[in-house]
Amino acid sequence: SQTIHQWPATLVQPVGSPLSLECTVEGTSNPNLYWYRQAAGRGLQLLFYSVGIGQISSEVPQNLSASRPQDRQFILSSKKLLLSDSGFYLCAWWGRVSGNTIYFGEGSWLTVV
Amino acid sequence: AQRVTQPEKLLSVFKGAPVELKCNYSYSGSPELFWYVQYSRQRLQLLLRHISRESIKGFTADLNKGETSFHLKKPFAQEEDSAMYYCALKSGTYKYIFGTGTRLKVLA
Repeated sequence: SQTIHQWPATLVQPVGSPLSLECTVEGTSNPNLYWYRQAAGRGLQLLFYSVGIGQISSEVPQNLSASRPQDRQFILSSKKLLLSDSGFYLCAWWGRVSGNTIYFGEGSWLTVV
Repeated sequence: AQRVTQPEKLLSVFKGAPVELKCNYSYSGSPELFWYVQYSRQRLQLLLRHISRESIKGFTADLNKGETSFHLKKPFAQEEDSAMYYCALKSGTYKYIFGTGTRLKVLA
């Protein structure tokens, strides 16, 4: 069966510090991978998606970047965090076995102080 | 532009009452629509998809292309239905666009 893990679960970072959130998928190969942000009153905003190693599509201009160094690894980064980067970040995957549905990780709470 | 609209941020109903969570979409092609649910302290998970025409936990949703809607319905709400509900649209080959979500509270 397929599983998705993301970490850390909770993070408190000062303004101006770097960020790295990691997501890995097990049990499937060549998945599409996604980063979403869930902010109060704004729902789920698609930040990045990737259809393969090194292939990143950015949906909104922002202070964040994404990388996919391995087939089942997706990383969300920032060089300098802003207060507005606070939120709940969700990684998700889609694969041939997922039945045209995306599946989510447990999420990472980021608080920028 | 592709868009999913959920007009209600919060919906409160009494146990046993009918529930309807509204979802409207904007999409130029043939839409594929989903409902996801997030219970307290659990991950966001798929509830149902229109292509399957299924009923999950008593919930159903019918795609109405004329009204560009995909409302989620349940005839008799239960307390365990209290959760955050998101409507989602598959846009193109890879993208999934979500609405802003509706929090459902079922009161005893």
